[in-house]
Amino acid sequence: GAGVSQSPSNKVTEKGKDVELRCDPISGHTALYWYRQSLGQGLEFLIYFQGNSAPDKSGLPSDRFSAERTGGSVSTLTIQRTQQEDSAVYLCASSKREEGNTIYFGEGSWLTVV
Amino acid sequence: AQSVAQPEDQVNVAEGNPLTVKCTYSVSGNPYLFWYVQYPNRGLQFLLKYITGDNLVKGSYGFEAEFNKSQTSFHLKKPSALVSDSALYFCAVRHQGKSTFGDGTTLTVKP
Repeated sequence: GAGVSQSPSNKVTEKGKDVELRCDPISGHTALYWYRQSLGQGLEFLIYFQGNSAPDKSGLPSDRFSAERTGGSVSTLTIQRTQQEDSAVYLCASSKREEGNTIYFGEGSWLTVV
Repeated sequence: AQSVAQPEDQVNVAEGNPLTVKCTYSVSGNPYLFWYVQYPNRGLQFLLKYITGDNLVKGSYGFEAEFNKSQTSFHLKKPSALVSDSALYFCAVRHQGKSTFGDGTTLTVKP
């Protein structure tokens, strides 16, 4: 696609429910990133994929968070047993070496846990 | 370890005046440096980057940034600010496969 696509754009969920956030990167981009951003704040790195493998999972805040990437393309970020502090914007981004590793971001998935 | 500092949480300028948003970095080796802009309720948009070559990099919307190796800085500049430039700006450094973002600077341009 032309840009990084994320879905859903907005999600309201009840505390304790599981949520899945989807990211479709730019076609041909081998690297994929997930970040979290609380309202008006900076970016919190969550996880990075190179192809289907995740060499850096250091940012996942707890074992309730997991992510996978299949076919070197689409990625899913799953949050189990959501808590109110999980409320944030979840930003996905992608890049490729041939473009100087410029990271391009999606519009984000806005998660509200009530 | 690498790091990025944006020393100003907030920058206020009058429309038509020049603007500078500061960024300094710490990395061992030669970094890739980036600036992004985030408008309210939107994702981050790429503005410009420095990889190698000319220290002055020109980007989108009339923005430019100057790489200064001795001062380890990559300040974002624009000669004449517009009200529509008001947004949150992020500096980022990439080195050895890892990208690090600053905490962001809110730019407010007043008419």
